[in-house]
Amino acid sequence: GAVVSQHPSWVICKSGTSVKIECRSLDFQATTMFWYRQFPKQSLMLMATSNEGSKATYEQGVEKDKFLINHASLTLSTLTVTSAHPEDSSFYICSAREGGGAGHEQFFGPGTRLTVL
Amino acid sequence: AQSVTQLDSQVPVFEEAPVELRCNYSSSVSVYLFWYVQYPNQGLQLLLKYLSGSTLVKGINGFEAEFNKSQTSFHLRKPSVHISDTAEYFCAVIPSGTYKYIFGTGTRLKVLA
Repeated sequence: GAVVSQHPSWVICKSGTSVKIECRSLDFQATTMFWYRQFPKQSLMLMATSNEGSKATYEQGVEKDKFLINHASLTLSTLTVTSAHPEDSSFYICSAREGGGAGHEQFFGPGTRLTVL
Repeated sequence: AQSVTQLDSQVPVFEEAPVELRCNYSSSVSVYLFWYVQYPNQGLQLLLKYLSGSTLVKGINGFEAEFNKSQTSFHLRKPSVHISDTAEYFCAVIPSGTYKYIFGTGTRLKVLA
């Protein structure tokens, strides 16, 4: 099946620093990638949708200047949390969509746990 | 607006007993339906999906779900659970004409020895 990887799997950083998370589709070309945030014991919240070669579309309430998303190729998307603060600590999950019509499922990465001290 | 409701936030069940995790949705258009499982500190793994055709869908690990259009439900069932089934289960829909998931709030299944 389609495999999506994320790196790193966990990261601890100091407040005020920036952190980059990579999401890669390993065996397929992802026309669209998605970034989710998950708080403890809660569901996934979609943060943004990115299409290769174009600007990401952010969901309402998500700060685009804080969460920078780049989808430079059909197999790689990155999420950079800029000037991270403790409230940014969370589990970040990416997913990728292979293409096709509506209803095409997304394949999820294993997630990245970010802890900001 | 579309929504997905998982009424049970937590379901304890003894090992080898059957289990049903409930999922209801609300949508003005047709939907595609999914069940995912999430183990601690991991991403989501697809259990099964309904796109069209037979309303009874069989998935991995012995799970199955039935799409009931009149009741707008997609309940997940397993006839005999194992300790290893302990995890968080998410129901999700993709409304026709879109590609974004709408997730339920999740049900934590705890299988007891």
